Amino acid sequence: ETGVTQSPTHLIKTRGQQVTLRCSSQSGHNTVSWYQQALGQGPQFIFQYYREEENGRGNFPPRFSGLQFPNYSSELNVNALELDDSALYLCASSLPPSGRAVHEQFFGPGTRLTVL
Amino acid sequence: AQTVTQSQPEMSVQEAETVTLSCTYDTSESDYYLFWYKQPPSRQMILVIRQEAYKQQNATENRFSVNFQKAAKSFSLKISDSQLGDAAMYFCASTSGNTGKLIFGQGTTLQVKP
Repeated sequence: ETGVTQSPTHLIKTRGQQVTLRCSSQSGHNTVSWYQQALGQGPQFIFQYYREEENGRGNFPPRFSGLQFPNYSSELNVNALELDDSALYLCASSLPPSGRAVHEQFFGPGTRLTVL
Repeated sequence: AQTVTQSQPEMSVQEAETVTLSCTYDTSESDYYLFWYKQPPSRQMILVIRQEAYKQQNATENRFSVNFQKAAKSFSLKISDSQLGDAAMYFCASTSGNTGKLIFGQGTTLQVKP
């Protein structure tokens, strides 16, 4: 069973540029959530994708956008990068919540984004 | 807004001893889950233990157990027989809404001394 993978591991961009981060979900998981983790802080929910549709969004501006593909992999795109976007971006995959049940989210190793 | 608070930025414990990490949360939801995640320096977030809010019995996973006080909205993690490999950042989290999205606390860095 393959775990959650993310690419690239590290990335350096300059302010105003655009970036795309990628995530491959764990086998059998059709739900992908993205989190931003600033240095020394807890992760913050960006959005979730289920069946290629956005299924919930946190308090992030529209320049944070995403995609989910038929194989359940996902991309996080950030436009017009700002210095405060420097963070570790975590992807987590899971089975979708069903009724009362909430399934464990399995996290990838993250992508460290530095904006200069 | 739903919040999770960890008031201990850093904790240390002697190897083989017991340590308790604190967490309080605030939610208006009736159904929710609570989690403790471990994030070692390698960065990969790993689930340590989970608790369904509708269950009164405290969850236990080997050396890890929780003290879930629903009325007080408290969810502490007890690590028994601490090992060097337990050194990491620990995050308390709760679910929010029907997406299962996680709301995390600020984290507690646990140091284990040999």
